[in-house]
Amino acid sequence: QKEVEQNSGPLSVPEGAIASLNCTYSDRGSQSFFWYRQYSGKSPELIMFIYSNGDKEDGRFTAQLNKASQYVSLLIRDSQPSDSATYLCALRSNDYKLSFGAGTTVTVRA
Amino acid sequence: NAGVTQTPKFQVLKTGQSMTLQCAQDMNHNSMYWYRQDPGMGLRLIYYSASEGTTDKGEVPNGYNVSRLNKREFSLRLESAAPSQTSVYFCASTQYRDGGNQPQHFGDGTRLSIL
Repeated sequence: QKEVEQNSGPLSVPEGAIASLNCTYSDRGSQSFFWYRQYSGKSPELIMFIYSNGDKEDGRFTAQLNKASQYVSLLIRDSQPSDSATYLCALRSNDYKLSFGAGTTVTVRA
Repeated sequence: NAGVTQTPKFQVLKTGQSMTLQCAQDMNHNSMYWYRQDPGMGLRLIYYSASEGTTDKGEVPNGYNVSRLNKREFSLRLESAAPSQTSVYFCASTQYRDGGNQPQHFGDGTRLSIL
């Protein structure tokens, strides 16, 4: 059983601030890591994926991976009210399946 | 481009009734998945189909059956619905390749209530 742990939140940040989300995992064989955003009542949508140690940036989003410490994080810069959602961390080991964390709820205060 | 289409979007059943949730994808993906999502528990895998003609159990398969009808379609059946199966069900697909980083693409979900 692959465990994926996320702080459930809610994480409340003011508009324009940086939101920092963390995800830890137990399976050292995990190879690929994904961040999904899910608005209330909607389906998950992919924000980013990362598979190499270090940082990966895409617009206002930065994913950070540290395999030695078994964590992956997501930074949201210049947070906007439209970023208010639940963010799901997922990982894949060497098979067809993804394992998901329970998600962190983010609220951006205007 | 429809992506992943799920039907129905909402359904209310009585305990003991049966029903089939339908899922179709038009992205020529080889792998398809069924998840359920309950409050505070994230997405849990029910069944998946790595490729046409194969199906495998996920984390929570009890009470469900699946059929991979063809490459496009993957259905989920509840033979005798129970209140514990009240949930939101998501279908997903991906073009899985060994060592690849392909994400899964999700349908809009089916909100199922069992009374």
